Amino acid sequence: QKEVEQDPGPLSVPEGAIVSLNCTYSNSAFQYFMWYRQYSRKGPELLMYTYSSGNKEDGRFTAQVDKSSKYISLFIRDSQPSDSATYLCAPGWDSGGYNKLIFGAGTRLAVHP
Amino acid sequence: NAGVMQNPRHLVRRRGQEARLRCSPMKGHSHVYWYRQLPEEGLKFMVYLQKENIIDESGMPKERFSAEFPKEGPSILRIQQVVRGDSAAYFCASSPPLAGGPEETQYFGPGTRLLVL
Repeated sequence: QKEVEQDPGPLSVPEGAIVSLNCTYSNSAFQYFMWYRQYSRKGPELLMYTYSSGNKEDGRFTAQVDKSSKYISLFIRDSQPSDSATYLCAPGWDSGGYNKLIFGAGTRLAVHP
Repeated sequence: NAGVMQNPRHLVRRRGQEARLRCSPMKGHSHVYWYRQLPEEGLKFMVYLQKENIIDESGMPKERFSAEFPKEGPSILRIQQVVRGDSAAYFCASSPPLAGGPEETQYFGPGTRLLVL
């Protein structure tokens, strides 16, 4: 069993739709939960992160963590064509002074006008 | 403020040759991570370095791969005697010299795409 499971998609939605991206994980040691966005042929960029169970909102993006079920979600409201990218969940922990991240395989999202 | 720089962006090698990938961290960053991304797979951690020290190489293959981050100059990921299975995108990320935690965000470079013929 992989430590982090993420549906690779692709996921295709119309502009303006609400998008739900999800990951499950198996390691209870994860302390924080990151979401990265990766455009084609580019490096990942951090979108947002959260420490604890519950929701964290940043503009059109909401990150949600349920530690009891080991489930991570990213919601995108009013999706735009510019949101078309691969989204990587990356839970991690403080490994003695640096952060150790385990990346999911990524979900490819296409938002069409 | 320049971001993380990697070069070359694309590298073609024949089986048995050596590949050298370079990473210059962001200004003020002294920590470097290397990741490998295979097609349709997520980023896999390879190694974490601070200046002149390898801190965690738990993700490095036991043979042919090595990494360094000298006091001066970029971090280097070196792959000796490359094989076709080494074809992948290699990303480095840098972070500032703070205690661990998501605030010590990893900033990624654009990657080097290695193709082994």
